[in-house]
Amino acid sequence: EVHLVQSGAEVKKPGESLKISCKGSEYSFASYWIAWVRQTPGKGLEWMGIIFPGDSETKYSPSFRGQVTISADKSINTAYLQWTSLKASDSAIYFCARHRHTQQDALDLWGQGTKVTVSS
Amino acid sequence: SYVLTQPPSVSVAPGLTARITCGGNGIEYKSVHWYQQKPGQAPVMVVYDDRDRPSGIPERFSGSNSGNTATLTINRVEVGDEADYFCQVWDSTTDHRVFGGGTKLTVL
Repeated sequence: EVHLVQSGAEVKKPGESLKISCKGSEYSFASYWIAWVRQTPGKGLEWMGIIFPGDSETKYSPSFRGQVTISADKSINTAYLQWTSLKASDSAIYFCARHRHTQQDALDLWGQGTKVTVSS
Repeated sequence: SYVLTQPPSVSVAPGLTARITCGGNGIEYKSVHWYQQKPGQAPVMVVYDDRDRPSGIPERFSGSNSGNTATLTINRVEVGDEADYFCQVWDSTTDHRVFGGGTKLTVL
Protein backbone atom coordinates (compact mmCIF):
# COMPACT_ATOMS: atom_id res chain seq x y z
CA GLU A 1 0.00 0.00 0.00
CA VAL A 2 1.24 3.46 -0.91
CA HIS A 3 1.83 5.65 2.10
CA LEU A 4 3.83 8.37 3.80
CA VAL A 5 4.96 7.75 7.36
CA GLN A 6 6.12 10.63 9.52
CA SER A 7 8.32 10.67 12.58
CA GLY A 8 6.81 10.85 16.03
CA ALA A 9 5.70 13.72 18.21
CA GLU A 10 8.36 16.05 19.59
CA VAL A 11 8.56 18.24 22.68
CA LYS A 12 11.29 20.85 22.53
CA LYS A 13 12.42 24.01 24.30
CA PRO A 14 12.68 27.40 22.59
CA GLY A 15 16.02 27.78 20.84
CA GLU A 16 16.50 24.06 20.25
CA SER A 17 16.89 22.50 16.83
CA LEU A 18 14.66 19.85 15.30
CA LYS A 19 14.44 17.72 12.18
CA ILE A 20 11.30 15.71 11.41
CA SER A 21 10.96 13.16 8.66
CA CYS A 22 8.53 11.77 6.11
CA LYS A 23 9.21 8.38 4.52
CA GLY A 24 7.45 7.22 1.38
CA SER A 25 6.70 3.60 0.57
CA GLU A 26 5.42 1.57 -2.37
CA TYR A 27 5.83 4.24 -5.01
CA SER A 28 8.63 6.00 -6.88
CA PHE A 29 9.43 8.53 -4.15
CA ALA A 30 11.99 10.44 -6.21
CA SER A 31 9.45 11.19 -8.94
CA TYR A 32 6.80 13.07 -6.98
CA TRP A 33 6.89 16.48 -5.33
CA ILE A 34 6.46 16.44 -1.55
CA ALA A 35 4.82 19.34 0.28
CA TRP A 36 5.02 20.33 3.92
CA VAL A 37 1.87 21.80 5.47
CA ARG A 38 1.47 23.33 8.91
CA GLN A 39 -1.76 23.14 10.86
CA THR A 40 -2.53 25.31 13.83
CA PRO A 41 -5.90 25.77 15.56
CA GLY A 42 -6.07 29.41 14.68
CA LYS A 43 -4.72 29.37 11.12
CA GLY A 44 -5.94 26.14 9.55
CA LEU A 45 -3.68 24.65 6.88
CA GLU A 46 -0.67 26.61 5.65
CA TRP A 47 1.56 25.62 2.74
CA MET A 48 5.20 25.81 3.82
CA GLY A 49 7.08 24.59 0.78
CA ILE A 50 7.79 21.71 -1.55
CA ILE A 51 10.68 19.55 -2.65
CA PHE A 52 11.31 17.26 -5.60
CA PRO A 53 13.32 14.39 -4.13
CA GLY A 54 14.76 13.43 -7.51
CA ASP A 55 16.97 16.52 -7.64
CA SER A 56 16.12 18.28 -4.34
CA GLU A 57 14.69 21.33 -6.09
CA THR A 58 12.90 23.26 -3.37
CA LYS A 59 10.38 26.08 -3.20
CA TYR A 60 9.29 27.94 -0.08
CA SER A 61 6.30 29.98 0.92
CA PRO A 62 7.48 33.52 1.73
CA SER A 63 6.02 33.04 5.21
CA PHE A 64 8.43 30.20 5.93
CA ARG A 65 11.51 31.01 3.84
CA GLY A 66 14.46 31.41 6.15
CA GLN A 67 12.53 29.91 9.06
CA VAL A 68 12.76 26.25 8.07
CA THR A 69 14.79 24.05 5.74
CA ILE A 70 13.25 21.38 3.54
CA SER A 71 15.48 18.58 2.30
CA ALA A 72 15.28 15.02 1.01
CA ASP A 73 17.36 11.87 0.68
CA LYS A 74 16.05 9.91 -2.28
CA SER A 75 18.23 6.93 -1.44
CA ILE A 76 16.08 6.25 1.61
CA ASN A 77 12.80 7.70 0.27
CA THR A 78 12.68 10.35 2.98
CA ALA A 79 11.94 14.05 3.11
CA TYR A 80 12.79 16.32 6.04
CA LEU A 81 11.68 19.54 7.66
CA GLN A 82 14.09 21.19 10.04
CA TRP A 83 14.49 24.15 12.34
CA THR A 84 17.72 25.52 13.80
CA SER A 85 16.12 27.55 16.57
CA LEU A 86 12.55 26.75 17.53
CA LYS A 87 10.07 29.29 18.83
CA ALA A 88 6.90 28.74 20.80
CA SER A 89 4.96 29.84 17.72
CA ASP A 90 6.32 26.79 15.85
CA SER A 91 4.07 24.59 17.96
CA ALA A 92 1.74 22.91 15.48
CA ILE A 93 1.01 19.72 13.61
CA TYR A 94 3.12 19.29 10.49
CA PHE A 95 1.98 17.17 7.57
CA CYS A 96 3.90 15.98 4.56
CA ALA A 97 1.86 15.26 1.44
CA ARG A 98 2.48 14.11 -2.12
CA HIS A 99 1.46 16.05 -5.21
CA ARG A 100 -0.50 13.86 -7.64
CA HIS A 101 1.60 14.39 -10.74
CA THR A 102 2.93 17.91 -11.06
CA GLN A 103 3.83 20.41 -8.37
CA GLN A 104 0.68 22.36 -9.26
CA ASP A 105 -1.51 19.34 -8.73
CA ALA A 106 -3.62 18.24 -5.76
CA LEU A 107 -2.16 16.51 -2.71
CA ASP A 108 -3.32 12.93 -3.04
CA LEU A 109 -1.38 11.22 -0.26
CA TRP A 110 -0.78 12.57 3.24
CA GLY A 111 1.39 11.51 6.13
CA GLN A 112 -0.23 11.04 9.54
CA GLY A 113 1.21 14.30 10.88
CA THR A 114 3.90 15.14 13.43
CA LYS A 115 2.92 17.17 16.46
CA VAL A 116 5.61 19.61 17.56
CA THR A 117 5.34 21.28 20.95
CA VAL A 118 7.76 24.06 21.83
CA SER A 119 7.59 25.12 25.44
CA SER A 120 9.96 26.23 28.15
CA SER B 1 -1.45 37.01 -2.33
CA TYR B 2 -4.41 34.96 -3.47
CA VAL B 3 -7.12 34.47 -0.85
CA LEU B 4 -9.68 31.66 -0.59
CA THR B 5 -12.72 32.32 1.57
CA GLN B 6 -14.83 29.56 3.11
CA PRO B 7 -17.73 29.79 5.56
CA PRO B 8 -16.56 28.68 9.01
CA SER B 9 -19.43 26.26 9.43
CA VAL B 10 -22.23 24.52 7.58
CA SER B 11 -24.95 22.44 9.21
CA VAL B 12 -27.18 19.90 7.52
CA ALA B 13 -29.54 17.13 8.53
CA PRO B 14 -28.75 13.54 7.58
CA GLY B 15 -29.99 12.58 4.13
CA LEU B 16 -30.01 16.13 2.83
CA THR B 17 -27.49 17.99 0.64
CA ALA B 18 -24.58 20.02 1.97
CA ARG B 19 -22.92 22.70 -0.13
CA ILE B 20 -19.60 24.14 0.97
CA THR B 21 -18.34 27.16 -0.93
CA CYS B 22 -14.86 28.45 -1.62
CA GLY B 23 -14.61 32.00 -2.88
CA GLY B 24 -11.70 33.51 -4.75
CA ASN B 25 -11.16 36.18 -7.38
CA GLY B 26 -11.52 34.50 -10.76
CA ILE B 27 -11.37 31.06 -9.18
CA GLU B 28 -13.07 29.58 -12.23
CA TYR B 29 -9.71 29.89 -14.01
CA LYS B 30 -7.97 27.78 -11.41
CA SER B 31 -8.13 24.08 -10.56
CA VAL B 32 -9.71 23.64 -7.14
CA HIS B 33 -9.02 20.71 -4.88
CA TRP B 34 -10.98 19.68 -1.78
CA TYR B 35 -9.85 17.84 1.33
CA GLN B 36 -11.78 16.25 4.17
CA GLN B 37 -10.22 16.15 7.63
CA LYS B 38 -11.80 14.28 10.52
CA PRO B 39 -10.70 15.01 14.11
CA GLY B 40 -7.25 13.68 14.87
CA GLN B 41 -6.64 12.52 11.31
CA ALA B 42 -4.74 13.74 8.28
CA PRO B 43 -6.60 15.41 5.42
CA VAL B 44 -7.91 13.21 2.63
CA MET B 45 -8.40 14.41 -0.95
CA VAL B 46 -12.07 14.07 -1.90
CA VAL B 47 -12.22 16.12 -5.13
CA TYR B 48 -9.43 17.31 -7.42
CA ASP B 49 -9.33 19.51 -10.51
CA ASP B 50 -12.70 21.10 -9.68
CA ARG B 51 -14.85 18.00 -10.11
CA ASP B 52 -12.83 14.78 -10.35
CA ARG B 53 -13.18 12.19 -7.62
CA PRO B 54 -10.35 9.86 -6.56
CA SER B 55 -11.04 6.17 -6.30
CA GLY B 56 -12.66 5.22 -3.03
CA ILE B 57 -14.53 8.49 -2.59
CA PRO B 58 -18.32 8.03 -2.78
CA GLU B 59 -20.21 9.47 -5.73
CA ARG B 60 -22.13 11.55 -3.21
CA PHE B 61 -19.17 13.95 -3.27
CA SER B 62 -18.99 16.30 -6.25
CA GLY B 63 -17.44 19.61 -7.14
CA SER B 64 -18.13 22.56 -9.38
CA ASN B 65 -16.40 25.83 -10.16
CA SER B 66 -17.83 28.94 -11.77
CA GLY B 67 -17.16 32.65 -11.61
CA ASN B 68 -15.69 33.51 -8.23
CA THR B 69 -17.00 30.48 -6.35
CA ALA B 70 -16.14 26.79 -6.24
CA THR B 71 -18.52 24.45 -4.47
CA LEU B 72 -18.19 21.06 -2.86
CA THR B 73 -21.56 19.29 -2.80
CA ILE B 74 -22.27 16.30 -0.62
CA ASN B 75 -25.52 14.52 -1.45
CA ARG B 76 -27.41 12.33 1.01
CA VAL B 77 -25.21 13.47 3.87
CA GLU B 78 -24.28 10.87 6.46
CA VAL B 79 -23.16 11.28 10.06
CA GLY B 80 -19.76 10.00 8.96
CA ASP B 81 -19.33 13.01 6.68
CA GLU B 82 -18.98 15.28 9.69
CA ALA B 83 -15.51 16.83 9.30
CA ASP B 84 -13.57 19.92 8.34
CA TYR B 85 -13.35 20.60 4.61
CA PHE B 86 -10.62 22.67 2.98
CA CYS B 87 -10.35 23.97 -0.57
CA GLN B 88 -6.95 24.54 -2.19
CA VAL B 89 -5.57 26.01 -5.42
CA TRP B 90 -2.27 26.73 -7.08
CA ASP B 91 -1.80 30.44 -7.71
CA SER B 92 0.17 30.76 -10.94
CA THR B 93 0.94 34.43 -10.31
CA THR B 94 3.00 33.70 -7.20
CA ASP B 95 3.61 29.94 -7.61
CA HIS B 96 2.06 29.48 -4.17
CA ARG B 97 -0.28 26.74 -3.01
CA VAL B 98 -3.14 28.32 -1.12
CA PHE B 99 -5.66 26.78 1.29
CA GLY B 100 -9.02 28.11 2.30
CA GLY B 101 -9.65 28.60 6.00
CA GLY B 102 -11.76 25.46 6.24
CA THR B 103 -15.43 24.74 6.87
CA LYS B 104 -16.70 22.60 9.69
CA LEU B 105 -19.56 20.43 8.49
CA THR B 106 -21.96 19.48 11.25
CA VAL B 107 -24.52 16.77 10.62
CA LEU B 108 -27.45 17.52 12.89
